[in-house]
Amino acid sequence: DQQVKQNSPSLSVQEGRISILNCDYTNSMFDYFLWYKKYPAEGPTFLISISSIKDKNEDGRFTVFLNKSAKHLSLHIVPSQPGDSAVYFCAACGGYKLSFGAGTTVTVRA
Amino acid sequence: DAGVTQSPTHLIKTRGQQVTLRCSPKSGHDTVSWYQQALGQGPQFIFQYYEEEERQRGNFPDRFSGHQFPNYSSELNVNALLLGDSALYLCASSFVDYTDTQYFGPGTRLTVL
Repeated sequence: DQQVKQNSPSLSVQEGRISILNCDYTNSMFDYFLWYKKYPAEGPTFLISISSIKDKNEDGRFTVFLNKSAKHLSLHIVPSQPGDSAVYFCAACGGYKLSFGAGTTVTVRA
Repeated sequence: DAGVTQSPTHLIKTRGQQVTLRCSPKSGHDTVSWYQQALGQGPQFIFQYYEEEERQRGNFPDRFSGHQFPNYSSELNVNALLLGDSALYLCASSFVDYTDTQYFGPGTRLTVL
């Protein structure tokens, strides 16, 4: 069963603008959430995470927001850069394993 | 500081064969997890190893087995290969106390013909 969902398979954004990626989950036992970025022929690279006791975490151009009541999280990238073009995965942790969404392909246009 | 390494990079097998994939964790990490990523999907958890024991397992058949060595490196074995086993196999490592943040290797691309 798909406990983590990324409903937008793709996102196109102009360089310098904000990219907003969304993720929904169903399991209320998840207590830690992560975003990974993946280039072709490489493994996922850890970007940013957030604990369920927080509602926001920032790291440079990346900010993750968590709405526990809605079981929803989002990743904001500001400003978007050409090197941000990649597949972004949302992941949730409850116990030892990570449960991933299907990914959103981000294309940053010059 | 070496990251997570995996070997081989690519592998082609035929149905019914057996395959072994290898993973060396990031320096200082003691926990290894394996994931299968089919085309167009997110990674799916296979199992996790800590202290040479399988600590948790996902919804994969017994044809998938693993091992962790005293130096924390790990192997994934798949027996009686099926066409549906064709995928990218990812290894991730972490500290036992921080298994939520896992760092991934580049993966092994397995093709079953």
